[in-house]
Amino acid sequence: ETGVTQTPRHLVMGMTNKKSLKCEQHLGHNAMYWYKQSAKKPLELMFVYNFKEQTENNSVPSRFSPECPNSSHLFLHLHTLQPEDSALYLCASSQEVLADTGELFFGEGSRLTVL
Amino acid sequence: AQSVTQLGSHVSVSEGALVLLRCNYSSSVPPYLFWYVQYPNQGLQLLLKYTSAATLVKGINGFEAEFKKSETSFHLTKPSAHMSDAAEYFCAVRGSNYQLIWGAGTKLIIKP
Repeated sequence: ETGVTQTPRHLVMGMTNKKSLKCEQHLGHNAMYWYKQSAKKPLELMFVYNFKEQTENNSVPSRFSPECPNSSHLFLHLHTLQPEDSALYLCASSQEVLADTGELFFGEGSRLTVL
Repeated sequence: AQSVTQLGSHVSVSEGALVLLRCNYSSSVPPYLFWYVQYPNQGLQLLLKYTSAATLVKGINGFEAEFKKSETSFHLTKPSAHMSDAAEYFCAVRGSNYQLIWGAGTKLIIKP
């Protein structure tokens, strides 16, 4: 596998469920990100990890819980979500967090629907 | 604080016509500017970037963008649209914390 891989691609869950999104990057990068993409809105940065350490948490509700066990893997644990959390969740990676290039490599996203 | 405005949530052009997608930014420091493209059911990929070198930047798939400081603009153009260009395009500026600040996106529709 190459690039950034996200699973599952689609997820439907009830408000009381607990589920997880998984992201894996095969690029040897040191930084990983979670973004939320909603229709007609700018991408919202949720979390940033650099060398497995969280460096950004953009006031994300605690019902979203990230985990980064190593530089290649990133999880987003979901529990007691709300319908407004329905969105496309994108994982991305970059060589470094503070890189001048600004180039992010994105996965294809996990489409989440909360009923 | 930095911000990005993309004019037009949808732009429709005929195949073979000029593509022009507009992006205006606000930045208190010399900006680093980016265009990303998202094809249907895919993640975003970098199209081109401006990092204070040449003001006319060439990217992949025949796209280019021109940085105009006086107009605080970074519009994306392509001389001749192709059906495969149908996608959503995002402009972004690097923020003070080095993270990207994104526009809301412009969906490009190509008419046969």
